[in-house]
Amino acid sequence: KQEVTQIPAALSVPEGENLVLNCSFTDSAIYNLQWFRQDPGKGLTSLLLIQSSQREQTSGRLNASLDKSSGRSTLYIAASQPGDSATYLCAVPNYGQNFVFGPGTRLSVLP
Amino acid sequence: GAGVSQSPSNKVTEKGKDVELRCDPISGHTALYWYRQSLGQGLEFLIYFQGNSAPDKSGLPSDRFSAERTGGSVSTLTIQRTQQEDSAVYLCASSFGVGGTYEQYFGPGTRLTVT
Repeated sequence: KQEVTQIPAALSVPEGENLVLNCSFTDSAIYNLQWFRQDPGKGLTSLLLIQSSQREQTSGRLNASLDKSSGRSTLYIAASQPGDSATYLCAVPNYGQNFVFGPGTRLSVLP
Repeated sequence: GAGVSQSPSNKVTEKGKDVELRCDPISGHTALYWYRQSLGQGLEFLIYFQGNSAPDKSGLPSDRFSAERTGGSVSTLTIQRTQQEDSAVYLCASSFGVGGTYEQYFGPGTRLTVT
């Protein structure tokens, strides 16, 4: 069974800092990896989807990389802003059917 | 177009009562997923549909939980004889197809509180 972990569990940074969130998974035979953000009391918003054939994907200040062989993905957030405060989750397919989510990284960006 | 919608947004029920949670996926999405998120916990997979069929029901916590999907569109998650441990946010997601190649889109969730 696919297992997903995320480090750190929580992170607090001053506005303007660049930061890296980490996601690890145990089964490298994945089609893709998806990063989400979740605001308190809300559903999940998709940020980036990296296909297995890609090594990275960018959207604005966000850059996600994928290293299947090592079972790792990182989400890089440049020039962080208070509006980036949320919980960030990564998800990978579980043998191609449902998805397994990591426990999330709770990010606070202080003004 | 419209995103995934869920209703109700909040539901408070007494222990022992039955509840129905509804999910309207994005039009044209054949795959639909139900997840549960308990307070301070990660997302727990419950069930997924490919069209109206549910090939994998292994995530349902007990036989009090059931789900159906009609017309390849709306899905209903039913919890019978609710227990306090059923209190959680129930999230629905849809995607264009089943499997790991497709992006999932989530609804806002239904917060269920069992008193």
